[in-house]
Amino acid sequence: DTGVSQDPRHKITKRGQNVTFRCDPISEHNRLYWYRQTLGQGPEFLTYFQNEAQLEKSRLLSDRFSAERPKGSFSTLEIQRTEQGDSAMYLCASSSGQLNEKLFFGSGTQLSVL
Amino acid sequence: QKEVEQDPGPLSVPEGAIVSLNCTYSNSAFQYFMWYRQYSRKGPELLMYTYSSGNKEDGRFTAQVDKSSKYISLFIRDSQPSDSATYLCALGSSNTGKLIFGQGTTLQVKP
Repeated sequence: DTGVSQDPRHKITKRGQNVTFRCDPISEHNRLYWYRQTLGQGPEFLTYFQNEAQLEKSRLLSDRFSAERPKGSFSTLEIQRTEQGDSAMYLCASSSGQLNEKLFFGSGTQLSVL
Repeated sequence: QKEVEQDPGPLSVPEGAIVSLNCTYSNSAFQYFMWYRQYSRKGPELLMYTYSSGNKEDGRFTAQVDKSSKYISLFIRDSQPSDSATYLCALGSSNTGKLIFGQGTTLQVKP
């Protein structure tokens, strides 16, 4: 399977714990995006990377959130001191070519904070 | 006011019907217009991508953009039960990596 891969698919954690998600993009794609989606809503942009550089961050990405993409390959999204409001689907997407052109999404990580 | 407005539905149609899905937007800076399909517990999948006013056709799907009215549409001809999903419009511009998604319209096609 050469699509975007996300791990884990589901994560249940207690409030206050730290969690980390991983995304493996399509291998030749230089751009990688993180979005968050809550039930009944469209995805909301969090951040994006071009190669290893994080070029844009949403104000939704509070100080508790950090994303990295070492060596321009896979990416991780960490949430520290989770809150119940962090419960959502975290989607990763990758693309090549022009900015915003044809994003390919993974199946997401569903986070539940108890 | 939201940047993109999309009726969440749900929309239920019989198999074979023509479906019309719509979004309105407020920011004239948007240059790219997309429609994504999302099945339950899956990530969105790109259906149509356009950057100009007018119509773009791909099989049973037609995307329509009217920049003067800030209105975009997706038409599905000969709808099938397999088209049952949530349809998301998404808009972008060249100066940001951020796509703005609509809320999504849930479509059910009944056999």
